[in-house]
Amino acid sequence: DAGITQSPRHKVTETGTPVTLRCHQTENHRYMYWYRQDPGHGLRLIHYSYGVKDTDKGEVSDGYSVSRSKTEDFLLTLESATSSQTSVYFCAISGRLAGAYEQYFGPGTRLTVT
Amino acid sequence: GIQVEQSPPDLILQEGANSTLRCNFSDSVNNLQWFHQNPWGQLINLFYIPSGTKQNGRLSATTVATERYSLLYISSSQTTDSGVYFCAVELRADSWGKLQFGAGTQVVVTP
Repeated sequence: DAGITQSPRHKVTETGTPVTLRCHQTENHRYMYWYRQDPGHGLRLIHYSYGVKDTDKGEVSDGYSVSRSKTEDFLLTLESATSSQTSVYFCAISGRLAGAYEQYFGPGTRLTVT
Repeated sequence: GIQVEQSPPDLILQEGANSTLRCNFSDSVNNLQWFHQNPWGQLINLFYIPSGTKQNGRLSATTVATERYSLLYISSSQTTDSGVYFCAVELRADSWGKLQFGAGTQVVVTP
């Protein structure tokens, strides 16, 4: 199994509070991703990183920011949590193989915003 | 953007049965992966298969890139095969591996 951990695994927070989720990898992979999973939508990309301090927006980036100050850590921040951000958040990593990117996922973080 | 459609949305199987899951995509792709999300929520990488056929135990997958579809075969199904199966595609070689997921096929295998 790819060495990916996410913390916390579960969190309940109130509307308007800031929240930071952490993804940590031990594989030294260059590429990291944050997805959210909601019923009826599958997984949708929030932000991704293609190197230290190199990040970009995905499909559903509004209300989220990310940071990557070192290879092994990718942080997802909700500056002011809203109920619509209640979801399960997955981190993924990828190493490039023959021109393409096979992704491996962390265990997920279940976030509830009340 | 690219459309990824999976069928059927739900599938109930008796243990020992075989089944085929389908993934259609609306444009040429650089990468296609199949994942299994088990009942505990963990996403497990099954196949990286942009084209051709691969087999891993009772599971196999075939992607026909020119016709824009992929099939996942489950043979002699077991209760541990229950969960949601996702197909995901990467549109272009320069897209940094960003994946577009289908909505998934929910599989229930009964004893």
